[in-house]
Amino acid sequence: DTGVSQDPRHKITKRGQNVTFRCDPISEHNRLYWYRQTLGQGPEFLTYFQNEAQLEKSRLLSDRFSAERPKGSFSTLEIQRTEQGDSAMYLCASSSKLRGRAPTFNEQFFGPGTRLTVL
Amino acid sequence: RKEVEQDPGPFNVPEGATVAFNCTYSNSASQSFFWYRQDCRKEPKLLMSVYSSGNEDGRFTAQLNRASQYISLLIRDSKLSDSATYLCSSSGGSYIPTFGRGTSLIVHP
Repeated sequence: DTGVSQDPRHKITKRGQNVTFRCDPISEHNRLYWYRQTLGQGPEFLTYFQNEAQLEKSRLLSDRFSAERPKGSFSTLEIQRTEQGDSAMYLCASSSKLRGRAPTFNEQFFGPGTRLTVL
Repeated sequence: RKEVEQDPGPFNVPEGATVAFNCTYSNSASQSFFWYRQDCRKEPKLLMSVYSSGNEDGRFTAQLNRASQYISLLIRDSKLSDSATYLCSSSGGSYIPTFGRGTSLIVHP
């Protein structure tokens, strides 16, 4: 399967613990996005990489959140000192600027997500 | 006002019906528009890109109305398997998509 993969699929943690999620994008995609989604809402943008460079980070993103994409391939999202409000589905998506027709370079291909529950 | 707005529904339709959803966007500089389908507790999957000239794929037709700043999705001959949440997204030159909250569709026998 050459789609986007995420690990773990589920994570249950206690408040105050740190958690780290991994995303492996489609191999030829140079853009990687992290989103958070809660019930009844659409995906909410967290941060975005083009290759290894983190180009944008949501203003709503707490300092407890950090993301890396050290070699421009896989990415990690870490949440420090988790809070109950962090409980959500964390989605990773990748896209490519190599598609020929202009609007399509923002097509997002999502991974299965990591469902985080903070107790 | 949210950047991208959708009626959450649910839209409850019988099999074979035609149903249409609209999605309004507030950023007039938006350039890219998409429809995604999301099944319960699954990730969103790309359904269609929305081009200025519109886009049709089988039973699905997407349109863009720049003057009124909305995109639409039309589903003809609804199937039970079309039951899902339909998310729209728009993005400007920053490559950061903004998603609506989704419209729930329930197709019943």
